[in-house]
Amino acid sequence: DAGVIQSPRHEVTEMGQEVTLRCKPISGHDYLFWYRQTMMRGLELLIYFNNNVPIDDSGMPEDRFSAKMPNASFSTLKIQPSEPRDSAVYFCASGYAGELFFGEGSRLTVL
Amino acid sequence: AQSVTQPDIHITVSEGASLELRCNYSYGATPYLFWYVQSPGQGLQLLLKYFSGDTLVQGIKGFEAEFKRSQSSFNLRKPSVHWSDAAEYFCAVRTGTASKLTFGTGTRLQVTL
Repeated sequence: DAGVIQSPRHEVTEMGQEVTLRCKPISGHDYLFWYRQTMMRGLELLIYFNNNVPIDDSGMPEDRFSAKMPNASFSTLKIQPSEPRDSAVYFCASGYAGELFFGEGSRLTVL
Repeated sequence: AQSVTQPDIHITVSEGASLELRCNYSYGATPYLFWYVQSPGQGLQLLLKYFSGDTLVQGIKGFEAEFKRSQSSFNLRKPSVHWSDAAEYFCAVRTGTASKLTFGTGTRLQVTL
């Protein structure tokens, strides 16, 4: 199995631009999570899905952030418009039977 | 609400020395507990987990952890550290039926040669 696949691995953009991060979970996993990691705040859960349905988005910082999971094999996290404080590593993780498997992350830098 | 505390932000050990990383959790019932490791520029990799049964659990890379209910702890140990173990280690707790995890703030391990 290829594991959780995230793209892009690195993204540098300018403030105000739209950013879309992508995730392909492990086939057969029924949960998908988006986490954000920064030095100041550590690992923060942004949103998670169960069987493609958003369950808890209370961690999404504000309306500039949105996430979708149109099918079991694909999810996106969108930031529009982006701001410098959104600079972080964004991790996608898929879960099954109580275990989480993480992707390698997307490092976002907003100038 | 459940929470996880990792009291040590940074630990330095010599190669070959033993290691213990501390983790305390807060939860009313028996939690499901995890240790993850993150190497620089990488995602988090599962080292080991405790769901029930034997309170001493073995993981990958020679790590083990012991669940102590009386102390609300789940400390990670390794008898002899290798330089390649230098990384950040996260303790996490899952409560309920969902796969949602709450992570500690992490402990950065430095290994000196």
